Amino acid sequence: SQTIHQWPATLVQPVGSPLSLECTVEGTSNPNLYWYRQAAGRGLQLLFYSVGIGQISSEVPQNLSASRPQDRQFILSSKKLLLSDSGFYLCAWSDRQGGYGYTFGSGTRLTVV
Amino acid sequence: SQQGEEDPQALSIQEGENATMNCSYKTSINNLQWYRQNSGRGLVHLILIRSNEREKHSGRLRVTLDTSKKSSSLLITASRAADTASYFCATPGRNTGFQKLVFGTGTRLLVSP
Repeated sequence: SQTIHQWPATLVQPVGSPLSLECTVEGTSNPNLYWYRQAAGRGLQLLFYSVGIGQISSEVPQNLSASRPQDRQFILSSKKLLLSDSGFYLCAWSDRQGGYGYTFGSGTRLTVV
Repeated sequence: SQQGEEDPQALSIQEGENATMNCSYKTSINNLQWYRQNSGRGLVHLILIRSNEREKHSGRLRVTLDTSKKSSSLLITASRAADTASYFCATPGRNTGFQKLVFGTGTRLLVSP
């Protein structure tokens, strides 16, 4: 069966520090991968998506970047965090057609102080 | 940008009652999906309804879709305290070639014992 792992679960980082969040998927090949951010009490904002190794599309200009070094690995990064980067970050995967919905990771709560 | 808007924003009911949540969207779609999010957790896919379907059932869930009104509803029958969560509708974003989902702002459901 397919599973998705996302870590860490919580993170407190000072302003100006770097960030690396990792997401891995098991049990499937060639997934579409996504990073979303959710502000408190709000909906989800799509940040990045990827259809293959090294293929990253950015949805919103921001202080973050994403990489996909392996087929089932998706990394969200920042060189210097801002206060506004605080939020709940969710990784998700879907099959190529997306016709069966997304499977989400358990999320990372990031607080920038 | 938000594609779907859920209504109401919050709903409070007693166990055993039915809960109905509505979603309106803006552009043509090929499917609409509903997700549940327990507090501080990732989203869980509940049900997907295709644009050529008008109604779909899954256990205590009933989803309807009216493409002429660009709206959908999620009905949870015989609610339980464990149904307390936020519920989101999601649709493929405009110009998507591979089902990038755009989420609404969600309905917070509270089911009291």
